[in-house]
Amino acid sequence: GAGVSQSPSNKVTEKGKDVELRCDPISGHTALYWYRQSLGQGLEFLIYFQGNSAPDKSGLPSDRFSAERTGGSVSTLTIQRTQQEDSAVYLCASSLDSQGGQPQHFGDGTRLSIL
Amino acid sequence: GENVEQHPSTLSVQEGDSAVIKCTYSDSASNYFPWYKQELGKRPQLIIDIRSNVGEKKDQRIAVTLNKTAKHFSLHITETQPEDSAVYFCAARGYSSASKIIFGSGTRLSIRP
Repeated sequence: GAGVSQSPSNKVTEKGKDVELRCDPISGHTALYWYRQSLGQGLEFLIYFQGNSAPDKSGLPSDRFSAERTGGSVSTLTIQRTQQEDSAVYLCASSLDSQGGQPQHFGDGTRLSIL
Repeated sequence: GENVEQHPSTLSVQEGDSAVIKCTYSDSASNYFPWYKQELGKRPQLIIDIRSNVGEKKDQRIAVTLNKTAKHFSLHITETQPEDSAVYFCAARGYSSASKIIFGSGTRLSIRP
């Protein structure tokens, strides 16, 4: 079946512009995560959506970052007034979350470059 | 909240030898421990996972052990091959559906020919 889909795969934009990154999770997956990965670094947690619960936004680095998940499916991560330090790969993952834990399935990511 | 520490950050082993990566976690309520492999330029992919009701799980050349008392778990790769070269991430998650998964900082494994 279809995996997690992210778009665009690459985005180049000028400093100060706003960007929107999209994630289509696997159908039926209730949990959705966004991560940021700088070159050669680990997975920096940004935000976690679980069903109808309020999202865990504890990883968002500043108020320029926001995310929403409409209808419990597609999610959009928005970065306003982009800065050069926002350049990274943004990864989305979804899982059939439940008590006891389920594996995450990652998308291929969006490579964001801020000029 | 949960904290996961991973060691070593880099590991180089001779082809055919074994590699061991270790992780510790802080939340005793954590009950799910997956391991992910990320090849250069690719997405992280699950390679093996273990739940707190077992102490060891094996899949061909890969095994994971869990010590709940000491709150640490390890990945063992035997008979390493060049294609094992990648970054490996451990993770831990609490029992509640509200608990998010927490990743370790990663281990870059290099296999020397």
